Amino acid sequence: QKEVEQNSGPLSVPEGAIASLNCTYSDRVSQSFFWYRQYSGKSPELIMSIYSNGDKEDGRFTAQLNKASQYVSLLIRDSQPSDSATYLCAVKSNYQLIWGAGTKLIIKP
Amino acid sequence: ETGVTQSPTHLIKTRGQQVTLRCSSQSGHNTVSWYQQALGQGPQFIFQYYREEENGRGNFPPRFSGLQFPNYSSELNVNALELDDSALYLCASSLISSGSYEQYFGPGTRLTVT
Repeated sequence: QKEVEQNSGPLSVPEGAIASLNCTYSDRVSQSFFWYRQYSGKSPELIMSIYSNGDKEDGRFTAQLNKASQYVSLLIRDSQPSDSATYLCAVKSNYQLIWGAGTKLIIKP
Repeated sequence: ETGVTQSPTHLIKTRGQQVTLRCSSQSGHNTVSWYQQALGQGPQFIFQYYREEENGRGNFPPRFSGLQFPNYSSELNVNALELDDSALYLCASSLISSGSYEQYFGPGTRLTVT
């Protein structure tokens, strides 16, 4: 059974600090990785996709991928209260996305 | 806004009944995936439709079925509803030929089975 693991949290981070979210996966041949943000009662919203080892930056967000260690992370710089949400990691395995249960992030003003 | 729409927004059904949920994909997308999300969990893959055919299915029983139409919109049908079917049902569209596999979600349908 292919799995994606995330710490459920909650992860509490002061406003303005860096939030670091981590995800590990079991399928060694996976090539596509995604981070989604989900506000309570809403549907997931795509933040970042990453396909190659290393870092990918988009505004305040940086995704990091290490295929050898089978982990992917998301850094949020200058955290804002509006970043408070559940962050879902998804990994493409064959024809489907396998999802983690999400990490709840709380940004404290 | 992703351009993916779902209807209805909320639905209350009784155990044993049948339900149909609808999804319109984002313009230019040719693939629709359906997910079930229980409270506090990640989405669980139900199935995916590409060019009007099911081309992938998760660990859901046959009473979960679907359709995709020539305009790429899709339906999810659930027969013989059970209490455990209460969840948020999400539809996601993507362009499978792009190679990126990025999926964009609609707002979801909240189904409550009593």
